[in-house]
Amino acid sequence: KAGVTQTPRYLIKTRGQQVTLSCSPISGHRSVSWYQQTPGQGLQFLFEYFSETQRNKGNFPGRFSGRQFSNSRSEMNVSTLELGDSALYLCASSADNWGLAEAFFGQGTRLTVV
Amino acid sequence: AQSVAQPEDQVNVAEGNPLTVKCTYSVSGNPYLFWYVQYPNRGLQFLLKYITGDNLVKGSYGFEAEFNKSQTSFHLKKPSALVSDSALYFCAVSSSDTGRRALTFGSGTRLQVQP
Repeated sequence: KAGVTQTPRYLIKTRGQQVTLSCSPISGHRSVSWYQQTPGQGLQFLFEYFSETQRNKGNFPGRFSGRQFSNSRSEMNVSTLELGDSALYLCASSADNWGLAEAFFGQGTRLTVV
Repeated sequence: AQSVAQPEDQVNVAEGNPLTVKCTYSVSGNPYLFWYVQYPNRGLQFLLKYITGDNLVKGSYGFEAEFNKSQTSFHLKKPSALVSDSALYFCAVSSSDTGRRALTFGSGTRLQVQP
């Protein structure tokens, strides 16, 4: 079956703009998590959604937001982009509700802010 | 707060030799431990996990890891390295106490297998 799909794969935005990234989880997976990967900070947890509800949130400013739709697809939005937001944004989906199943990651969206 | 340490930025090993990539963790509650591998310009691929039970966990591509509660370690091992194993390896932890989906990752260890 199809894996986690993230679109677009690459984005170039200007400081101050906003951006929306999309994630389609594996069919049947209801948990979707987002991570930011940068050379300096490594992989950092942004937030996690389950059945359209945000269950966990990492230590990121309010400019970072997300949502999940009834079909489990998820979007994340970053407003008022800063140069430091340049990163690979990874989405992961999981089958279970209890954190016991592994997360499957998409290939990521590479965001460059200029 | 939970944390993961991968003390080696890079591990070099000759093809055919055994390899070990180290990971130690800190959590409150019971740890759930994972290893992921990342190839250039790709997302993370799951290798193996420890949730409960047998301390020796076997995973994909011949990798295994041993959970050591007293040393709070979860080292990744493989008996015989392949050149194709060269990649970036991440250890991750969540726990029964904190948000189960909030994986905390280590900084990553680059494995270089020389022919």
